[in-house]
Amino acid sequence: GAVVSQHPSRVICKSGTSVKIECRSLDFQATTMFWYRQFPKQSLMLMATSNEGSKATYEQGVEKDKFLINHASLTLSTLTVTSAHPEDSSFYICSAIRGDEQYFGPGTRLTVT
Amino acid sequence: GEDVEQSLFLSVREGDSSVINCTYTDSSSTYLYWYKQEPGAGLQLLTYIFSNMDMKQDQRLTVLLNKKDKHLSLRIADTQTGDSAIYFCAESRNTGGFKTIFGAGTRLFVKA
Repeated sequence: GAVVSQHPSRVICKSGTSVKIECRSLDFQATTMFWYRQFPKQSLMLMATSNEGSKATYEQGVEKDKFLINHASLTLSTLTVTSAHPEDSSFYICSAIRGDEQYFGPGTRLTVT
Repeated sequence: GEDVEQSLFLSVREGDSSVINCTYTDSSSTYLYWYKQEPGAGLQLLTYIFSNMDMKQDQRLTVLLNKKDKHLSLRIADTQTGDSAIYFCAESRNTGGFKTIFGAGTRLFVKA
C-alpha cells in the first residue's frame, strides 16, 4: 500500500523557536497533501491543504503566518510552526491523496516548553 | 452541516463481532472511510466505500452503507485484542476540492 512518512516523530522545543515537520509520500507522487492537528482524545482538525507548486489553502481560524506550509516537490510538504507557544503542543498528522484514497503519516508529536 | 457522529466507546469480548456505527449529514459525500488509530500513531486506512455501494467486505471487515439514512457501519468479525484502537469514520467529497470530515472516533476495547 501507499506509504506516507513524517519526520520527526517527536520534537520538543522551547517557546519562541520554530519547528519544521516534513511529510513525504514514499512510493507515489502527491500533488495535494493535507495537514491535520489532533488534540488529545479528539478527532482530526484539518489545518490546511498543501498544493504542489502553489500556495497552501488554510482552513478558517488557522494562522497562515504561524503555520507555514511549503510543498516544493511532488513527494514533500513541510509544515513550519513559527514562534511556537505551549498551546501549539499537539499531534500533527499529514496525509496524501492517491486516486480515491487518503493515506496518513504516522504523526509528529510536538511539545513546546 | 458537516457533522459526522460516532459513539465514543465500544467494549466486546475476544472472538465476538464488533459493530461500530457512524452517521453523517452531507448527502453529497462521494466516499466514506474507516480509519484505525493505535495509541501514539497516525491513521491507518482500513477500508472505504463509494457512496453508490451498499456493502463492501474485506476479510474480517464488512462495511454497510444506508445512504437514505446516512448511516455507515463497520463490522469486525472474530474481534482480536490487536483490534483494540480508535476507529474513525470519515466522509469525503471532491467538489471544488477534496475535503474529508472526520467523526470523533470510537474507542474499541477488546476483552480477552
